[in-house]
Amino acid sequence: NAGVTQTPKFQVLKTGQSMTLQCAQDMNHEYMSWYRQDPGMGLRLIHYSVGAGITDQGEVPNGYNVSRSTTEDFPLRLLSAAPSQTSVYFCASSYEGYGTGELFFGEGSRLTVL
Amino acid sequence: AQSVTQPDIHITVSEGASLELRCNYSYGATPYLFWYVQSPGQGLQLLLKYFSGDTLVQGIKGFEAEFKRSQSSFNLRKPSVHWSDAAEYFCAVGRIQGAQKLVFGQGTRLTINP
Repeated sequence: NAGVTQTPKFQVLKTGQSMTLQCAQDMNHEYMSWYRQDPGMGLRLIHYSVGAGITDQGEVPNGYNVSRSTTEDFPLRLLSAAPSQTSVYFCASSYEGYGTGELFFGEGSRLTVL
Repeated sequence: AQSVTQPDIHITVSEGASLELRCNYSYGATPYLFWYVQSPGQGLQLLLKYFSGDTLVQGIKGFEAEFKRSQSSFNLRKPSVHWSDAAEYFCAVGRIQGAQKLVFGQGTRLTINP
């Protein structure tokens, strides 16, 4: 019963480094998304996908890149990390449309950029 | 601006006491409404959702929420809290004005006194 799996759980980067946060789901959900969680700001949508080959920007997309080559995987790339990207990142998937169905979340990836 | 507001950042209640967490939204038409719970170090889990019908919705873990159109509110309640209910609670509003969109409130952190 894996659900949504995120790796790594913790990561420390230096300013300017790049990295990829991995997200995989085994529920055959078409909709997948990435959020960042910052104190007092709730969850903010970075990028989302409504199916393989289709991605779109969310509320805070700058500095992040995504692709969706398979239904199962939705990696998030930080191209040149900045301290402002220090946050907890959550991947979520859904079998219904965005905004109407239950989101299934991974356990999060805590990223610190020095 | 259109928004989702959780007025209480932090609430402390005693074990066995009743609980009400507030959520207000400023979107015009009746959207889809959700409550999620986040236990420490975990991802979010859906407690309940409302999109039509009976305005009192039952969820998991003994929670319920009531939709009040006239007040644009969707408050979460529990008659008697348990120590395991200590967590952060997020209200979310989806399908805003017919669009596929989901916005989270800032969250309310719940502490339980023994």
